[in-house]
Amino acid sequence: AQRVTQPEKLLSVFKGAPVELKCNYSYSGSPELFWYVQYSRQRLQLLLRHISRESIKGFTADLNKGETSFHLKKPFAQEEDSAMYYCALGGSNYKLTFGKGTLLTVNP
Amino acid sequence: NAGVTQTPKFRILKIGQSMTLQCTQDMNHNYMYWYRQDPGMGLKLIYYSVGAGITDKGEVPNGYNVSRSTTEDFPLRLELAAPSQTSVYFCASSTNTDRGSEQFFGPGTRLTVL
Repeated sequence: AQRVTQPEKLLSVFKGAPVELKCNYSYSGSPELFWYVQYSRQRLQLLLRHISRESIKGFTADLNKGETSFHLKKPFAQEEDSAMYYCALGGSNYKLTFGKGTLLTVNP
Repeated sequence: NAGVTQTPKFRILKIGQSMTLQCTQDMNHNYMYWYRQDPGMGLKLIYYSVGAGITDKGEVPNGYNVSRSTTEDFPLRLELAAPSQTSVYFCASSTNTDRGSEQFFGPGTRLTVL
């Protein structure tokens, strides 16, 4: 069965500090992993996907198949990064299995 | 493009009442989804559709029904509302590009059942 685990419900850092949001997955095949973000009063939107190996808004995420992890990282957090972050695992018919989310707060 | 739109934004229902949550997308996506979001629980898939006339159950389908008569519309029906259905409901549509797949979400419907 597919499963996504985000161990931290809440994460609080100061502006300029590094941030890492953890995500571990369980999947028997070749995984397709995503990070979605929900800013206050906005709809959920794609932040990045592991296939494109891109950096969006300074965030990166590397798929580690050995550790079954897809942690989201940013070297210098900004106040506008405060949001709810969801790690998601893709399945058949482009369905997504979401983790429970991590609420990131970046303090000034 | 308006993307994915949902109506209503908010609704309060009494136990046993029924209602339909509307979802429309104008991106010509074949795949559409309904999720519910509960505090601390993430998003759970209720139903999904791979095209007009085709629907299937997700992880938490009990108490809900869907239909997909057109590519654009994917309404979610609650027949006998229960307090356990108090949640925020998100509709999404999906496409696949050369950069990979992506789901596009609506703004959500906040439903309270009293």
